[in-house]
Amino acid sequence: SAVISQKPSRDICQRGTSLTIQCQVDSQVTMMFWYRQQPGQSLTLIATANQGSEATYESGFVIDKFPISRPNLTFSTLTVSNMSPEDSSIYLCSVGTDTDTQYFGPGTRLTVL
Amino acid sequence: SQKIEQNSEALNIQEGKTATLTCNYTNYSPAYLQWYRQDPGRGPVFLLLIRENEKEKRKERLKVTFDTTLKQSLFHITASQPADSATYLCALRQAGTALIFGKGTTLSVSS
Repeated sequence: SAVISQKPSRDICQRGTSLTIQCQVDSQVTMMFWYRQQPGQSLTLIATANQGSEATYESGFVIDKFPISRPNLTFSTLTVSNMSPEDSSIYLCSVGTDTDTQYFGPGTRLTVL
Repeated sequence: SQKIEQNSEALNIQEGKTATLTCNYTNYSPAYLQWYRQDPGRGPVFLLLIRENEKEKRKERLKVTFDTTLKQSLFHITASQPADSATYLCALRQAGTALIFGKGTTLSVSS
């Protein structure tokens, strides 16, 4: 299994600002993902964070709004840019394994005023 | 359109009974289904995976079935306990796609 930590655990931000969320894994992993979980909704994949190359974004998500970095096999960041109240959500980092299991971090609860 | 639905938003049962949660999907051909548990303020925790060629999987008090004809997975918790109270998420994956989640069913087990 993998142990995943995220910082910050929660934040309240003003509209128009940006927030960078960090994800740290206790072991080297190939696959890292970023999800969003809006209130009362299912988890939605934002992008796959690729080490050494640009992230792969899902339909409806763009790099300008959600830039992602993956400098090594244990760390990634997700930035939520130019925030609006609609960005209020829980953001989750996840890692995949060879057995198709995914492990999730504790999440970052973001509130945009 | 493609859908993954967990039939009940909430399920209330008494301690000791078997909880049965349902996951139905439309217009997917999943290679496998997974079930996760999510507690308030926490990320999902993986419970079980069942592949398309498997009918049933068990782990301690948990049992998952997968019926590709009915396009349905059932998740059972036997001898339920108050500590089993949580939201349970169904997720599926088909070739070429990421893991797709249902909205979850919130289970409450009363003593």
